Amino acid sequence: AQKITQTQPGMFVQEKEAVTLDCTYDTSDPSYGLFWYKQPSSGEMIFLIYQGSYDQQNATEGRYSLNFQKARKSANLVISASQLGDSAMYFCAMRDPNDYKLSFGAGTTVTVRA
Amino acid sequence: NAGVTQTPKFQVLKTGQSMTLQCAQDMNHNSMYWYRQDPGMGLRLIYYSASEGTTDKGEVPNGYNVSRLNKREFSLRLESAAPSQTSVYFCASKHQETQYFGPGTRLLVL
Repeated sequence: AQKITQTQPGMFVQEKEAVTLDCTYDTSDPSYGLFWYKQPSSGEMIFLIYQGSYDQQNATEGRYSLNFQKARKSANLVISASQLGDSAMYFCAMRDPNDYKLSFGAGTTVTVRA
Repeated sequence: NAGVTQTPKFQVLKTGQSMTLQCAQDMNHNSMYWYRQDPGMGLRLIYYSASEGTTDKGEVPNGYNVSRLNKREFSLRLESAAPSQTSVYFCASKHQETQYFGPGTRLLVL
């Protein structure tokens, strides 16, 4: 069984600063994918970034980067230069090896202060 | 290109009533999914369809049925709604590695 753990229920960050959201995962399969989604107060789920288990380099997408530490089974999201619009719930998720579903963590709420 | 669309946006049901949540995608994706999100939790998979004509149970399928009507549409049916099914329901479709989500349906069962 797969499991995703996000230990930070809520975080505050000052505008223009960086913030790191923690995510650890547990799987015995060598092939998996890790994702981060953003859910603003409006409710939609927005895909941010993806990291494959065999990818050699950490994924980056604009101000988002994924700090992938395979041996520690962690996939932390780093948001650089935080903006007020980054205030949202952030979910870490893992794709199962059959490639058919995502397992989600409980989420971390980020509040960006001006 | 509307992506993934869901109807309705909001619905209130009485216990025992039935309803169908509709989902459609115009991205020609093979795989589609139904998730539910309860307060303070991540999404949990109800059912999925790896391709047209196939459906499989996810983590929490009890009380639901699905139909993959064609490649575009994947509907979720509650035959006899219960208060425990009060939730936000998300449909998603998958392209390569990534699942893309619809805007969600908020369902309240009284």
